[in-house]
Amino acid sequence: AQSVTQPDIHITVSEGASLELRCNYSYGATPYLFWYVQSPGQGLQLLLKYFSGDTLVQGIKGFEAEFKRSQSSFNLRKPSVHWSDAAEYFCAVGSNQGGKLIFGQGTELSVKP
Amino acid sequence: DAGVIQSPRHEVTEMGQEVTLRCKPISGHDYLFWYRQTMMRGLELLIYFNNNVPIDDSGMPEDRFSAKMPNASFSTLKIQPSEPRDSAVYFCASRDRGGTEAFFGQGTRLTVV
Repeated sequence: AQSVTQPDIHITVSEGASLELRCNYSYGATPYLFWYVQSPGQGLQLLLKYFSGDTLVQGIKGFEAEFKRSQSSFNLRKPSVHWSDAAEYFCAVGSNQGGKLIFGQGTELSVKP
Repeated sequence: DAGVIQSPRHEVTEMGQEVTLRCKPISGHDYLFWYRQTMMRGLELLIYFNNNVPIDDSGMPEDRFSAKMPNASFSTLKIQPSEPRDSAVYFCASRDRGGTEAFFGQGTRLTVV
């Protein structure tokens, strides 16, 4: 079955600290992987995506993610978190042929001063 | 392109009334998705279309929900009759056939009282 698991529902980090949000997926074919961010009252905005090639991908706002096929993971990282990063983060997987994206349940990030 | 456009942004209606949500996808995109977001259930895929044809409506909660896509530039999600438990944020998204990311609208916040 196709699925995405984000094990952490809520994470709190201090401003300036590093961040890692976990994402594990189950997908039968070659996956396309995505991280989206949702600020309160807003739609989902794409942070970064992985299609092929280099397994470390860079995104907007200083985020990066690493694809590890052996672990079926696509964890999101940021070396130094800013207060404006407080939001909900969604991992998603989809086919390279189009079709639907399967989303995880989301991880809510809080940033403390 | 202006992105995915949803209307209205907010809708408050009384239980039993018909509600119609509207979506204009990005021009040239072949896939259109309707999602529902609630605190309890997270982001749920309700239905998606490919080239205006419904492909998977297994996420539609019950017969009170219906969706149409009469042409490539317009889709509706209708709830008739509406119930308080339908209160949620409804997102529309579109994606092209090449399998890139889905682009989300700003969402419609529906409140049924």
